[in-house]
Amino acid sequence: GAGVSQSPSNKVTEKGKDVELRCDPISGHTALYWYRQSLGQGLEFLIYFQGNSAPDKSGLPSDRFSAERTGGSVSTLTIQRTQQEDSAVYLCASSPGQGNIQYFGAGTRLSVL
Amino acid sequence: EDKVVQSPLSLVVHEGDTVTLNCSYEVTNFRSLLWYKQEKKAPTFLFMLTSSGIEKKSGRLSSILDKKELFSILNITATQTGDSAIYLCAVALLSNYQLIWGAGTKLIIKP
Repeated sequence: GAGVSQSPSNKVTEKGKDVELRCDPISGHTALYWYRQSLGQGLEFLIYFQGNSAPDKSGLPSDRFSAERTGGSVSTLTIQRTQQEDSAVYLCASSPGQGNIQYFGAGTRLSVL
Repeated sequence: EDKVVQSPLSLVVHEGDTVTLNCSYEVTNFRSLLWYKQEKKAPTFLFMLTSSGIEKKSGRLSSILDKKELFSILNITATQTGDSAIYLCAVALLSNYQLIWGAGTKLIIKP
């Protein structure tokens, strides 16, 4: 696609429910990144994919968070048993390779009630 | 520990003023420094700097890197209300894939 696409743009859920966030990177970009940004805060790195592999998952805040990438393209970030502190904007970025410029999607604003 | 520090954290100026935003860093294995503008949600790429002393320009925005003193500045001249945003600085490392992000400078341009 022309840019990084994320869906949904907004998600409101009840505490304890599971949510899935989707990221469709720029075509041909091998690297994909997930970040979290809480209100008024900087970007918090969550996970990085090179192709379908995730060499570093150390940024995931807890075992309720998981992510996968299939076909070297679309990625999903899953949050199980959501908590109110999970409320944030989740941003996805892709790049042609390691160390290159990252291009961001518009993000998903998650609100856990 | 690798870190990137931006200053000021916030800045309010009037339309037409010139602003200078600062980004200093302490990292191992520096590769490049990047500036992004964040309005609403998605950060948009502005500049990537790899060499000292070479100014990058785009319209009213310009940026320069000093690899000896470990900092970069982003200048915006003749500011407009549309320049209001959070400006993020990040440093890419040679050793891995991550960007080390600063906390950002929130810039508000008053009419």
